Amino acid sequence: DTGVSQDPRHKITKRGQNVTFRCDPISEHNRLYWYRQTLGQGPEFLTYFQNEAQLEKSRLLSDRFSAERPKGSFSTLEIQRTEQGDSAMYLCASSLKRGNTDTQYFGPGTRLTVL
Amino acid sequence: AQKITQTQPGMFVQEKEAVTLDCTYDTSDPSYGLFWYKQPSSGEMIFLIYQGSYDQQNATEGRYSLNFQKARKSANLVISASQLGDSAMYFCAMREGGGYSTLTFGKGTMLLVSP
Repeated sequence: DTGVSQDPRHKITKRGQNVTFRCDPISEHNRLYWYRQTLGQGPEFLTYFQNEAQLEKSRLLSDRFSAERPKGSFSTLEIQRTEQGDSAMYLCASSLKRGNTDTQYFGPGTRLTVL
Repeated sequence: AQKITQTQPGMFVQEKEAVTLDCTYDTSDPSYGLFWYKQPSSGEMIFLIYQGSYDQQNATEGRYSLNFQKARKSANLVISASQLGDSAMYFCAMREGGGYSTLTFGKGTMLLVSP
């Protein structure tokens, strides 16, 4: 049983460039989440998908951010016109609700550095 | 007000001893879940243990147990027989409500286990 995978693991880019990250969830999981984690903080919620539907977006997700999950499997997170403040670890998680439990399992993250 | 508070920025423990990591939470929702995750230096968030608000007994998973005191709104993680590999950041998180489940994280506690 493979876990959540993310690609790339590291990305260095120049300010103003666009970047795209990919997340592959655990295969039977229908829920997928994106979080952002900055140094010294816990992860902060960005957006959530159930199957292919994007059901919630945080106010942290500015217009420069867009996320998709076209066939309800993998997801992409794109950041346009990157800024230095976008430097962070971007974490993806997936879950499958069983009864009252809905445990999220995280991928290894993509560490973004904007120069 | 912060929803999840972890008051210990860092904790030290000797190998084979037990350690308690503190977590208090704030919610008015009667249905919620509490989670603990471990984040080693590699960055991946590893799920450790879950406690539902209606669970009658404290959760246990191997060397991990959750000391759930509902009236005090605390959910402390107890690690018994610490091992060197337990050195990592530990995050407490909460899901509110019974629907979809985005997580709100605390700022974390850094645990260092010495030989």
